Amino acid sequence: DTGVSQNPRHKITKRGQNVTFRCDPISEHNRLYWYRQTLGQGPEFLTYFQNEAQLEKSRLLSDRFSAERPKGSFSTLEIQRTEQGDSAMYLCASSLDPRGLERIEGAGANQPQHFGDGTRLSIL
Amino acid sequence: AQSVTQLDSQVPVFEEAPVELRCNYSSSVSVYLFWYVQYPNQGLQLLLKYLSGSTLVKGINGFEAEFNKSQTSFHLRKPSVHISDTAEYFCAVRGYGGFKTIFGAGTRLFVKA
Repeated sequence: DTGVSQNPRHKITKRGQNVTFRCDPISEHNRLYWYRQTLGQGPEFLTYFQNEAQLEKSRLLSDRFSAERPKGSFSTLEIQRTEQGDSAMYLCASSLDPRGLERIEGAGANQPQHFGDGTRLSIL
Repeated sequence: AQSVTQLDSQVPVFEEAPVELRCNYSSSVSVYLFWYVQYPNQGLQLLLKYLSGSTLVKGINGFEAEFNKSQTSFHLRKPSVHISDTAEYFCAVRGYGGFKTIFGAGTRLFVKA
């Protein structure tokens, strides 16, 4: 168990450029989450994957944002035409949903989320 | 929908003193409650969680929290803090049947020698 890995740790780019972040969850974790954290605030939910399926998206995730998890393992978060307001820490988390309990209400909620160290994005 | 209010943005305390970090939540459904700690330039680490059962929950690093349903609170306590406890602490809530975790704005605990 090497933990959740995020790359890069820091990204500095000019406004208007596209950026892509990668998250490698803990192996065999079937759930993956993306959060955004701005200075002085708690993490805000962006989106969630169960295996390769993106099951929930926040209204914070504008059409400039897209997330994928093509093989149900690593995930990428892309931001197109970056804006100043996109500057934040982007956190990824993963958790294990017990097999066969996915559809039982609340069954997965007691599995803790393991967070990566985040990617800090700075827009110049 | 759920929301979380952490009543103190900063809590300064001397080493070996007790500390309480306050958290109140609101929800129209039953919830799971969590406390996370975040050290500078790192992700969040789970301290403890309340799922059901005993309202007093013990976590790592000597922390504990008490769930009070009538007051919709989940305050975090430690009887004696160390310099190494200096960090940001987040209270979080997730509704039954939901997958989205809602975090408070955080409380910065600053332990002084």
